[in-house]
Amino acid sequence: DAGITQSPRYKITETGRQVTLMCHQTWSHSYMFWYRQDLGHGLRLIYYSAAADITDKGEVPDGYVVSRSKTENFPLTLESATRSQTSVYFCASSDGQGAIYGYTFGSGTRLTVV
Amino acid sequence: GENVEQHPSTLSVQEGDSAVIKCTYSDSASNYFPWYKQELGKRPQLIIDIRSNVGEKKDQRIAVTLNKTAKHFSLHITETQPEDSAVYFCASDYKLSFGAGTTVTVRA
Repeated sequence: DAGITQSPRYKITETGRQVTLMCHQTWSHSYMFWYRQDLGHGLRLIYYSAAADITDKGEVPDGYVVSRSKTENFPLTLESATRSQTSVYFCASSDGQGAIYGYTFGSGTRLTVV
Repeated sequence: GENVEQHPSTLSVQEGDSAVIKCTYSDSASNYFPWYKQELGKRPQLIIDIRSNVGEKKDQRIAVTLNKTAKHFSLHITETQPEDSAVYFCASDYKLSFGAGTTVTVRA
């Protein structure tokens, strides 16, 4: 379909638990990104990656960990989930002509922390 | 503070009228300004973009203008239709930041 898939689509977890959100793209795009979307804040960048094994913090990285061992995968881990991390998470990829050029977003993961 | 500020947060227009959304950015290092449309429950999708060496770009009923001196850019939708109802986000390549979004409602 869109070439970039996120899983799961919906997740409910308890405070303090570790949870991993998956993102997979089939285009071999060099850049991948994680954003969270909250009412009144738009889309805020959590982490991004310019290539395999290269990651960098965005605007709101605290409480999150990422890795990128393969170009096509960019998982996001919440090490100890908190209620403030309840949000919709979007993964995106870019063909790398410019870091933000031609973003394609995944379908999103709605995470609820109870 | 935010690199990109977007106004208004909500916009209601009569079908057939025009809609204008404005964004300002703070850093002159910004060179690329895309606009995304997000329909309810769906992912944001790129609808138009502009680079810093261009002042205006059009695509059918949608246009984007850029004023580098004033550090602002705008999305213009003409002849609005019900399917234009959505949340629109502006963005900047500097710090990969997005505006807070504008909810556009087109009244039939």
